[in-house]
Order: sequence, then structure tokens, then C-alpha cells
Amino acid sequence: GENVEQHPSTLSVQEGDSAVIKCTYSDSASNYFPWYKQELGKGPQLIIDIRSNVGEKKDQRIAVTLNKTAKHFSLHITETQPEDSAVYFCAASTSPGGYQKVTFGTGTKLQVIP
Amino acid sequence: GAVVSQHPSRVICKSGTSVKIECRSLDFQATTMFWYRQFPKKSLMLMATSNEGSKATYEQGVEKDKFLINHASLTLSTLTVTSAHPEDSSFYICSARDLGSEQFFGPGTRLTVL
Repeated sequence: GENVEQHPSTLSVQEGDSAVIKCTYSDSASNYFPWYKQELGKGPQLIIDIRSNVGEKKDQRIAVTLNKTAKHFSLHITETQPEDSAVYFCAASTSPGGYQKVTFGTGTKLQVIP
Repeated sequence: GAVVSQHPSRVICKSGTSVKIECRSLDFQATTMFWYRQFPKKSLMLMATSNEGSKATYEQGVEKDKFLINHASLTLSTLTVTSAHPEDSSFYICSARDLGSEQFFGPGTRLTVL
């Protein structure tokens, strides 16, 4: 099955600096890569996603890049703010047997220091 | 984005009792719903996938007789933890998907079994 690795597990940055989280996946059939932000005691919220036919996608301060050949994708947050502090999960998705199965990375706890 | 609700948000029960958790898609029809389990500081583990009107597909290692899933309508899925024990204590999260690829997550249910 799919295996998604995520690094780093924790990340501390100064407010205003950039944060980068990296993930690798194993199944070349994966074609959809969402990123989720999870605040304490809450469910994950989708913040950005990218499909395998696109190499980069940007939404204001958040961007995601995908390298299909190397099977890795990254989340970039620029001009970080304290409210960006949360746990971030990458995920990879395939559609085996006609339904979509999402495999999550292990999570990165981001702390933005004011 | 679409809204998924879960009820209850927190539940405490005695060992040996059964607990039912509801997951509802509030403003869209969910052709597929997913149930996840999350341990503290860990990633989300997919338990099962359910399509409306059909039996759920359970992931390897998940006991289908212990975690009963019913997806009776396009807006409601329920997870019943039968004969709960302390090791079943966890954060349970559902998600719902319409015909697109994106999953919308509920806020989660914290289950504590005494």
C-alpha cells in the first residue's frame, strides 16, 4: 500500500519567516495530494491541494510543489503568523477499486514564535 | 467549503457499554464517508470507508464487529463502538466526499472509556 513520510515532525520559526514541510510518497498511482491543518481538539481542515498534472500551486501565503518523478511534494508558508501554529498533515490519494483512499503523513507541529 | 458535523463532540462511557457517533454532511450529499481514528500526537488512521446503502469496507486490523458502521443515507453515517474498553479511548474523526476528490472532515469526537 501507499506510504507517506513527512518531515520535520516539529518546526519552530520566527513570525514573518517561511516554513517548509516536505513529504514523500511511495505509490506512483497517487494522483491527488491535499494538505491539512489541524488545530488542537479539532478535525483537519484542507488548506491547499494539488493534482498530479500540476507542478505547483499557490494560494496567497501558501504554496505547494509536486515532483512526480521523485515522488515528493512540499508545503511552503511564507510570512508566517502566530495563527499558523498548528499540526500540518500531508496526504496522498489514489482511487483503488473505485473509491478514494487517502494516506496521511505523520504530521508536523508548526510553532510560530511572535 | 462544505460542512460536516459530528455528534457528540465528547463522550465518556463505562467499560462494556456501546457508544454511537454520528457524522452528517450538512450541505451536500456524501457518496462516500470515511472514519478515522487518531491517537494523541499521531496521524489519522483510516478505519473504514462506507458508501451509502452498502456495507463498509474495513481496513486491515479493524474489527468490523466492534466498530459498526451504518451509512443509511447520503447525509448520515454512524459509527458504533460496541462493548467499549479503555483501549478504545481515542479521537474519532469522520470525513465525507461528494463526487469530487476533496474530503471534508468533521470536528471529531473524543471518546473516553472508563
